[in-house]
Amino acid sequence: DIAMTQSPTTLSVSPGERATLSCRASQDISTKIGWYQQKPGQAPRLLIYAASTRATGIPARFSGSGSGTEFTLTISSLQSEDFAVYYCQQYHNWPLYTFGQGTKLEIK
Amino acid sequence: EVQLVESGGGLVQPGESLRLSCLASGFTFRTYTMTWVRQAPGRGLEWVSTISGSGSPTYYADSAKGRFTVSRDNSKSTLYLQLNSLRVEDSAVYYCARPYYDSLTGYSNLDYWGQGTLVTVSS
Repeated sequence: DIAMTQSPTTLSVSPGERATLSCRASQDISTKIGWYQQKPGQAPRLLIYAASTRATGIPARFSGSGSGTEFTLTISSLQSEDFAVYYCQQYHNWPLYTFGQGTKLEIK
Repeated sequence: EVQLVESGGGLVQPGESLRLSCLASGFTFRTYTMTWVRQAPGRGLEWVSTISGSGSPTYYADSAKGRFTVSRDNSKSTLYLQLNSLRVEDSAVYYCARPYYDSLTGYSNLDYWGQGTLVTVSS
């Protein structure tokens, strides 16, 4: 099984600043990773797939990078609506998906 | 517009069964692999099961093997998840989701999700 490890568990950032979230895979997954945003009481929303491609309707302030085992989600200038929990997910072993444990992005 | 609407959740006792449904609309259901993901209260996301567009093959997480059965009725655009021998640790919101598909690269992450249905297992 491929394990996905996210860091940090909680990230405190001020509005307007940049946030950088990390995800590490337990083995090489090329660029077969996506990122989701989840707000309380809502279903996850796909932000990024294939490591760096924004999903439909996702603002340009969200960007993804990385390949192999190390990946990053960057939010360039945090807006109030961006404070949420973020998950990474690999599909190298599709359809046996694996999610990271999540990073909570909170207002500093 | 793609829509996924789950139903069938509820409160059951350990050892009992439930059948979850997911009604799909806005796309050609029979051509898409579909997936169930669950989320225990206050916890992260866990992949549960996936089924191909034709109904076979099917795939399960270790936590679901032997107890859960995924199926679909393409004539009704409906996905199902039969939950048997339920345990307290199966308590979660269960989401159905559709993966993004690209003709060059195949399936990837889940781009459409339902609102979820809550299953609570408690004595």
